[in-house]
Amino acid sequence: EADIYQTPRYLVIGTGKKITLECSQTMGHDKMYWYQQDPGMELHLIHYSYGVNSTEKGDLSSESTVSRIRTEHFPLTLESARPSHTSQYLCASSEEGTRGFTDTQYFGPGTRLTVL
Amino acid sequence: QKEVEQDPGPLSVPEGAIVSLNCTYSNSAFQYFMWYRQYSRKGPELLMYTYSSGNKEDGRFTAQVDKSSKYISLFIRDSQPSDSATYLCAMSGLTGGGNKLTFGTGTQLKVEL
Repeated sequence: EADIYQTPRYLVIGTGKKITLECSQTMGHDKMYWYQQDPGMELHLIHYSYGVNSTEKGDLSSESTVSRIRTEHFPLTLESARPSHTSQYLCASSEEGTRGFTDTQYFGPGTRLTVL
Repeated sequence: QKEVEQDPGPLSVPEGAIVSLNCTYSNSAFQYFMWYRQYSRKGPELLMYTYSSGNKEDGRFTAQVDKSSKYISLFIRDSQPSDSATYLCAMSGLTGGGNKLTFGTGTQLKVEL
């Protein structure tokens, strides 16, 4: 069973506030990901990391930033939240695939963010 | 045009029915095909994965890939109310070195008593 945690699970906050969404995994995975999910829409990759001190932007442009100082921790920060940031944010991690199979990504429970 | 197309549903079936969920895709580079199940207010969990074309069976679930038609399916036999969830297909073209998954929009399934 995947051990990947996200806090908070739900966050309602006013415009202009700085927020940090936490993501931690206890599996020792090198690779971690942040996705954005809106109702009826596919998951969009917004950030990923292949290891400590490595971060890349994903396919969907995002005003958020991430850091990877420790293997197990991959927080996402919004410096100034806006209503357009309202969404579900999912964190995932993966290990190197074996026997020719691609990496299996394990997802956290998600953070539902509402910006008023 | 989206790389992966998936009927969003919702799909409502009676308990015990056989369910067929499908995705089509346009990128010939995709080699790895996955199905994730997502319960309400939870993150997706990997249900099945297959490589290239063919079938894979796991209990009541069967995944099929037809690369010539760029079409994948997930069959659920003897569906149960606990199968009620959103099913997401996902695909990747890389192995090792990190993979980026391309997801469908998900099909919402409800299995009724």
